[in-house]
Amino acid sequence: DGGITQSPKYLFRKEGQNVTLSCEQNLNHDAMYWYRQDPGQGLRLIYYSQIVNDFQKGDIAEGYSVSREKKESFPLTVTSAQKNPTAFYLCASSADDSRAVNQPQHFGDGTRLSIL
Amino acid sequence: AQKITQTQPGMFVQEKEAVTLDCTYDTSDQSYGLFWYKQPSSGEMIFLIYQGSYDEQNATEGRYSLNFQKARKSANLVISASQLGDSAMYFCAMREWGGSEKLVFGKGTKLTVNP
Repeated sequence: DGGITQSPKYLFRKEGQNVTLSCEQNLNHDAMYWYRQDPGQGLRLIYYSQIVNDFQKGDIAEGYSVSREKKESFPLTVTSAQKNPTAFYLCASSADDSRAVNQPQHFGDGTRLSIL
Repeated sequence: AQKITQTQPGMFVQEKEAVTLDCTYDTSDQSYGLFWYKQPSSGEMIFLIYQGSYDEQNATEGRYSLNFQKARKSANLVISASQLGDSAMYFCAMREWGGSEKLVFGKGTKLTVNP
């Protein structure tokens, strides 16, 4: 079935460590997104990418990095510079014309990141 | 300024009854889209319904309908015949035209359906 796969489901980070969250989609979508969700809050955009080898910062990009080497994949690295990384991370994708306002974003099941 | 406001942190409804979840938005664009998502306790975000700013009719998808009042900038979600499985967080989101790729989310409403 087509969809978005995030892994791992749970991740633990030690102090000073970088960790990478995986996001893979087989929907043939051009645009991909990373969101952070804190308890009792809505989603906040970290980074997004409309095309391979290009990405833009969202509202809370500090302490995070991404790459988009393949259309299907958009991994997120939480660096040691992110001082409060404990959160639920959601990856999403949307269809080709990313300027079309009627394109819903489809989400993966998320990764819960915690500090050890 | 907050672009999406969901004023109900929590709502309760009896099984088989209808419930309305409120959403107001703020934009100066003429072209925009409004989305509702459901987030069960397992965490995934499920797309429910979409309303475009130029759509003349209110959107409907099965038991979900959207009460769109453009002049009041409101896009309330109506769930008819509530089921126990409808218990979840519900998020309203907006996407503006003009190159912005962001979906801006509200803080959500927790819906509990009682048997």
